[in-house]
Order: sequence, then C-alpha cells, then structure tokens
Amino acid sequence: DAKTTQPPSMDCAEGRAANLPCNHSTISGNEYVYWYRQIHSQGPQYIIHGLKNNETNEMASLIITEDRKSSTLILPHATLRDTAVYYCIVSRSNDYKLSFGAGTTVTVRA
Amino acid sequence: EPEVTQTPSHQVTQMGQEVILRCVPISNHLYFYWYRQILGQKVEFLVSFYNNEISEKSEIFDDQFSVERPDGSNFTLKIRSTKLEDSAMYFCASSGDRDTFNYEQYFGPGTRLTVT
Repeated sequence: DAKTTQPPSMDCAEGRAANLPCNHSTISGNEYVYWYRQIHSQGPQYIIHGLKNNETNEMASLIITEDRKSSTLILPHATLRDTAVYYCIVSRSNDYKLSFGAGTTVTVRA
Repeated sequence: EPEVTQTPSHQVTQMGQEVILRCVPISNHLYFYWYRQILGQKVEFLVSFYNNEISEKSEIFDDQFSVERPDGSNFTLKIRSTKLEDSAMYFCASSGDRDTFNYEQYFGPGTRLTVT
C-alpha cells in the first residue's frame, strides 16, 4: 500500500474552511484516496474518497492534484463538532484493509 | 441510516479467559472487518472476511483469534486466552454494498476490552 504523509496537527477557526493536506507520492494507478475521521475514541467515520477527479459530498470536498501525488480535504465551514483526527488513506477500491497512520489532529476553535 | 452495531460496549475479563465480541454489520454489505486500537495508538487492521472465509489477516491475528459469521447477520471475534496486551478498543466494520458497489468501510462504535 502507498504511504501517506500528513501534518500532525492543525487549528481552524469555527466557520472557516479547513484545508487538510496529504502527500501520497507513491500512489498506484488503481489506488483511491480515502479520508476518514475519528472523533475522540469513536469508530472511524468515512468522509469521502476519489480516484483522480475532484469530489464533493455533504461533508467535504476532495481535491486531487493532476499527478495524483497529493490531495487536500476541505471542510467548507468547520464547526466545533469537526474536531477530530483526520486520516488520509490510499487503498484499492475493494481492498480488504485500511492502513491507518497517525493522521492530522484538527482542533476547531470558537 | 443503516449502521454497524457492536456489543458489548465495554468488556472486562481476566487474563486467560475467552471473550467473544459481537458485531452486526450493515445488512447489505459483503465484506467484514475487525480492527483494534490500543489506547493512544493507531487503528490497526486485524482481519477481513468475505464469502464466509478470511480474506486477509495481519500478524496480530494469531492462533488466539478467530472470526465467525454464524447466522448471516452477526460477525464475531473470539479471543481464546486473553492477555494483558489485548486490552484495546475493537472496531468492527463492513463494506461492499450489493446494490451500489460502494466499498467504503463503515465502522461500529467499538467494544472496549479491558484484560486484568
């Protein structure tokens, strides 16, 4: 599996957009970029995923660079409830496992 | 919205005892997983299960661990003889929607296992 690199932490002001970067320079052609988050000690929560096109859903937007070596998760209007650890994971679509790293601890401040 | 459920939420057991952790995956899903997270550490993959057999397992998933889908709805993780180092949060997940063919994994709330 391709490895990902994320900053260990970042702060964001409530109501502002949060932009979370991820590097995955060794990603293969059939691997997707997945984003999950974990609020406190709850189960990881799926956010969004993409292959090469930008994606948007009700939670977030995912911007993948043209060479696919990096991506950015955008939370458009961060709220206090978005405080969590965010994981960027590269995986085949029907792979049998997710390999979690340390993620980025995002703290949304009022 | 369908969700993965797990029971119990917290299990305390003595070293050497057997424990069974239970999960009810999302009913339309085809793939099932167990992960664990030791306090303060990363989420670690244990095992995946598809078509009534193990698809992949990690080095952690040794002979002390087993999984079963006994009745088409429950998915269980058994630890035969628990050790202190098995204390962790155990997460069940499922994926592979039969209708939409989406493969994102959905996780349950976890079972906190404490071995004393």
